[in-house]
Amino acid sequence: GAVVSQHPSWVICKSGTSVKIECRSLDFQATTMFWYRQFPKQSLMLMATSNEGSKATYEQGVEKDKFLINHASLTLSTLTVTSAHPEDSSFYICSASLASGRFNEQFFGPGTRLTVL
Amino acid sequence: QKEVEQNSGPLSVPEGAIASLNCTYSDRGSQSFFWYRQYSGKSPELIMFIYSNGDKEDGRFTAQLNKASQYVSLLIRDSQPSDSATYLCAVMDSSYKLIFGSGTRLLVRP
Repeated sequence: GAVVSQHPSWVICKSGTSVKIECRSLDFQATTMFWYRQFPKQSLMLMATSNEGSKATYEQGVEKDKFLINHASLTLSTLTVTSAHPEDSSFYICSASLASGRFNEQFFGPGTRLTVL
Repeated sequence: QKEVEQNSGPLSVPEGAIASLNCTYSDRGSQSFFWYRQYSGKSPELIMFIYSNGDKEDGRFTAQLNKASQYVSLLIRDSQPSDSATYLCAVMDSSYKLIFGSGTRLLVRP
């Protein structure tokens, strides 16, 4: 149980285009979803936290107008990278949280590798 | 600034040995601690979580937590080449966000 999927698994796009990444919790309803970014040989950096039906909360330094997050339902969150540039090339990973006692464990999706040419 | 510190490694151990991975954290109010394993090009997978002081064992893995010293560790017994990966320590803050360390790369030599 507690499976999270992401689509697409990889995408290559031209500079200036927008890219949408989907994150789905397949067998549970997620109270909260998180979006992370990971550059090569670096750790995961939290970009934003989203709850169903409300606006996402962005971490300091993350441009909310560039990284649009929509959390339409308890099983789906999307991240849209608008006007992507080569510096946005990264590994984007979502996670979904199932409130479980005191742990609020996060289940991670397989990630989406974005390459902007 | 909440921080989680790990030695980047690589930590190299022979097959069958015990690998010891360490992590310190700055937020004394942290309650939950997680160890993730990440293979190259893949997303993290949870190995263990711990929230009470002391040891917690699960198969070949033992997590150790010392809140007074703000220290958490992961021991891997009978290390296998398939354990070679980057191990991420993560600490959950009061708003349920995970703060990740930079990871320790483990190499298990056959």
